[in-house]
Amino acid sequence: DTGVSQDPRHKITKRGQNVTFRCDPISEHNRLYWYRQTLGQGPEFLTYFQNEAQLEKSRLLSDRFSAERPKGSFSTLEIQRTEQGDSAMYLCASSQQRNTEAFFGQGTRLTVV
Amino acid sequence: GEDVEQSLFLSVREGDSSVINCTYTDSSSTYLYWYKQEPGAGLQLLTYIFSNMDMKQDQRLTVLLNKKDKHLSLRIADTQTGDSAIYFCAEYIGTGNQFYFGTGTSLTVIP
Repeated sequence: DTGVSQDPRHKITKRGQNVTFRCDPISEHNRLYWYRQTLGQGPEFLTYFQNEAQLEKSRLLSDRFSAERPKGSFSTLEIQRTEQGDSAMYLCASSQQRNTEAFFGQGTRLTVV
Repeated sequence: GEDVEQSLFLSVREGDSSVINCTYTDSSSTYLYWYKQEPGAGLQLLTYIFSNMDMKQDQRLTVLLNKKDKHLSLRIADTQTGDSAIYFCAEYIGTGNQFYFGTGTSLTVIP
């Protein structure tokens, strides 16, 4: 296991389409985070899972966004009816239960045209 | 929300030391982090410090924490061109189970 893996690395979609991103955390990491980063900004928190439970959600996460972690391992982030303002880098991170070092994946860059 | 502030740009000559500064507002931070981001890439964890420490050294990196002033700094000794990147300071708030990031400092190393 070499780290947090995200797929795809890049996604271009037309406005109004749905997209889904996948994140595979480091094995045995209980905690999983999704962040969004726009150009020139730091990452902004979207949501957090501990095992399969989604424990925190940002107000940034509108009802068009949904995240799941069904078996407490990989996670998916779906955006429905994409808008141009959704264009950003979507970052996933994972950490162990008692260790808050969070390791980030390479991100998925979404472009909505 | 919590504010994490960083200066936007820093230029240094190769071989000099770089000091990147960060201020934060939430005194309940448990851990404070430095991440490095190269163009088009994700965030690489460089180092972190627990809030009850005031210094941590890791090879060329030295982290200083002034909890009273809520000030964190990252010193990079003998800065190399490969250190050119954006550096993010982040604080972890346990009660919210999330990390708050600054806007990043773009470090340019001049050969």
